[in-house]
Amino acid sequence: EVQLVESGGGSVQPGGSLSLSCDASGFDFSNYEMNWVRQAPGKGLEWVAHIGFSGTTKYYGDSVEGRFTISRDNTKNSVYLQMNSLRADDTAVYFCARKGGTYWYFDLWGRGNLVSVSS
Amino acid sequence: DIVMTQSPDSLAVSLGERATINCKSSQNIFYSSTNKNYLAWYQQKPGQPPTLLINWASTRESGVPDRFRGSGSGTDFTLTISGLQAEDVAVYYCQQYYSVPNTFGQGTKLEIK
Repeated sequence: EVQLVESGGGSVQPGGSLSLSCDASGFDFSNYEMNWVRQAPGKGLEWVAHIGFSGTTKYYGDSVEGRFTISRDNTKNSVYLQMNSLRADDTAVYFCARKGGTYWYFDLWGRGNLVSVSS
Repeated sequence: DIVMTQSPDSLAVSLGERATINCKSSQNIFYSSTNKNYLAWYQQKPGQPPTLLINWASTRESGVPDRFRGSGSGTDFTLTISGLQAEDVAVYYCQQYYSVPNTFGQGTKLEIK
C-alpha cells in the first residue's frame, strides 16, 4: 500500500525541541521530493519545509527558517523534521506530504502528528 | 508571497444540488510558456488529511468523481461540485504552486443543508 506514516511529536514547553519522522512505503521513495505541511488547530494549511531527492536541496517557510531542519534517509525510506526553539504558534498537526513530481502540489499525505507547545 | 483567498468561508448546500467555491490569487498563476495554471484543489474530510482532487486548475486526479470540476485561469478559479453527496462534506482548499513558497487558501467548509 502506498502510504506515509508520521511518528514522534507530542507535548513540549516553549523553547524546547521535538522531532518528527515519516516512514514511506509502497513507492520508490528516493524518486520523490518530500515536504512537511502543518495545520494549527481549527486553521488552514501551511507549508513548512521541503527536501529534494538526495537531501541536498532544502527549503523552509519563513516562520520556521533557522529553527527547523528537514532531512531524509533514502535507505530507510524516511523523512524527518527536527524542531528547535519551539513556540506556542508552532502548535499544529504536522503532515508529511509527497511532492507530485516536478511541481509543488502534494499528491500523497500522511495522517499527521500533533505537536503541542505550551507551558 | 502569493496570497490565496477563498470565498465563501462556509456554505451549506442541499443533497443533489450544486456547490461552488471560489479561489482568487493575488498574482497571476498562469504560466504562458507551459499554458498551465499552477493551481490545485484539496479535500479534507473531518479527522483526515487533505487529499488532492484537482491539479493544473482543472485536471482531476485518478479516482476523483467527475462531479468535481475545476475551472478558471489567471487569478480567478472555481471548484464546482455537482449533485452534492453526503460524502462531500469537507473543507476544501486551493493552493498555488506557481512560486515558492506554495500557499493555500484559508479553506471553505462545505456542509449539507
